[in-house]
Amino acid sequence: GQQLNQSPQSMFIQEGEDVSMNCTSSSIFNTWLWYKQDPGEGPVLLIALYKAGELTSNGRLTAQFGTTRKDSFLNISASIPSDVGIYFCAGHWETSGSRLTFGEGTQLTVNP
Amino acid sequence: EAGVAQSPRYKIIEKRQSVAFWCNPISGHATLYWYQQILGQGPKLLIQFQNNGVVDDSQLPKDRFSAERLKGVDSTLKIQPAKLEDSAVYLCASSLIRGVPGLAIHYEQYFGPGTRLTVT
Repeated sequence: GQQLNQSPQSMFIQEGEDVSMNCTSSSIFNTWLWYKQDPGEGPVLLIALYKAGELTSNGRLTAQFGTTRKDSFLNISASIPSDVGIYFCAGHWETSGSRLTFGEGTQLTVNP
Repeated sequence: EAGVAQSPRYKIIEKRQSVAFWCNPISGHATLYWYQQILGQGPKLLIQFQNNGVVDDSQLPKDRFSAERLKGVDSTLKIQPAKLEDSAVYLCASSLIRGVPGLAIHYEQYFGPGTRLTVT
C-alpha cells in the first residue's frame, strides 16, 4: 500500500521556537490532513488541505499542500508547552477513494 | 456537537480470549472507520462502512476480526481469538463526505478517544 514518509521522527525544542515538519509521498495525493494526538486520546484534526499550493493557517499553525501534490508541510510558530504531542500527516491518494493513509508521526517535545 | 464515543477505554485480556469494542459516531456522519494503532505508529485502517454497508475491509484480518454496523449508526469491532500482536489502540472515526464543485470531495475524519487493548 501507499506509505507516507514523515520527518523528523522527533523534535526537542525550547518554548518560543518555531517548528517545521513535513510529509512526502511517491504518489500524488488529493488531500492532506494534519492531526495532533495527545497521550491516551485519539487524533484531533488541525488543518485540512484540498488544493495544490494551498496555504492554510489555524492560529499558530500553518500548513501547505505542496505544488507537486506529493508533499505537505506543517509549521508551528512560537511553540508553547501544550504543543507537546504527536503530529500526524494523512492524506488521500488519487485512487484511494476515502481511505486515509497516515504517516508515522512526529513526536514534539517543548521544554519550558 | 458530541464527538465520536468509544467504549471501553481500556481492556486487558489473555490470548485466545474474545473482545468487543463499541463506537457511536458523530450524529449524521454516514461513514464510519475502524483503525488499529500500534505503539509508535500511525493509525492503519481496518474497515470502512458507508451507512450499514462495508466499503473497504481489505486490511481486516478476517480470520479473527469482524465488524458490523447493523443500523447504520453505531458499530462493534470484535476480535476472536485474540493474539499477543493485537495489543494496540483501536480507534473509531467518522466523517461527513462533502462534495464541493471544482474541488476534491472532503473526507475530514474525526476520531474517538480509542480503546487500548492489552493481550497477555
